[in-house]
Amino acid sequence: GEDVEQSLFLSVREGDSSVINCTYTDSSSTYLYWYKQEPGAGLQLLTYIFSNMDMKQDQRLTVLLNKKDKHLSLRIADTQTGDSAIYFCAEILIGGYQKVTFGTGTKLQVIP
Amino acid sequence: DGGITQSPKYLFRKEGQNVTLSCEQNLNHDAMYWYRQDPGQGLRLIYYSQIVNDFQKGDIAEGYSVSREKKESFPLTVTSAQKNPTAFYLCASSPGQGLEKLFFGSGTQLSVL
Repeated sequence: GEDVEQSLFLSVREGDSSVINCTYTDSSSTYLYWYKQEPGAGLQLLTYIFSNMDMKQDQRLTVLLNKKDKHLSLRIADTQTGDSAIYFCAEILIGGYQKVTFGTGTKLQVIP
Repeated sequence: DGGITQSPKYLFRKEGQNVTLSCEQNLNHDAMYWYRQDPGQGLRLIYYSQIVNDFQKGDIAEGYSVSREKKESFPLTVTSAQKNPTAFYLCASSPGQGLEKLFFGSGTQLSVL
C-alpha cells in the first residue's frame, strides 16, 4: 500500500534555506506535489514534479526527486516569515480513480 | 473570482445531532472531495465524487454521508454515528481530466459540545 511520511516540525532562521523532506513507498506514483497550508486555511498548491524528472525549480522553490530512494524534498531559498506554514507532500497514483495520498505535513517555523 | 466556498467556518455539534457542511465551487470542476484533517495525521479522504449523481467512499467514510445533485455542490453530513467528529474538514475540487491538481476551500472546524 501507499504511505507518505514527513517529519513533523522544522525551525529555521529568516534568510536561511529550508529543506523539507518526504518519503513515499509506492513506486508507481506519477506526480508528486507540494502544498502549503497557512493557519486556519485550506491547502494551496505550491509546485509539483513528474516522476520522470529529477529536479524542478520555480523562483525560490526547488524540488528534488530521488526515485530510487523514493525521496522527495522541497528547498525554500531565503526563507521569509511569510513562509511559516504547514507543508504537505502528496503523491498521485494512476488508476480508475487517481487517488491523492497526503503526507502528515511538516510545520515550518521561521524565526526572525 | 472562481473558487471553492465552504461554510460555516466554525460549527458545533450536540451529541446525537446530524450536521451538514456546505461546499460550493464555481470552477466548473467535475471532481469534488472531502478530507478530514487531524493534528499530526495529514489529510484523510472521506468521500469523493467524479461526476454529478455519483460518489464513492474514501478511506474513512463511516459516520458520514454526501450527495452530489449539482455539479457545483457537494455537501457533507456528519451523522450521529460518527463518534469522534471533532476535526478540520476540507473540501476540494479538481478538473477530473488527469493531472489532479486539487483546489481547496478554506475549511470548516467542527467541534462537539
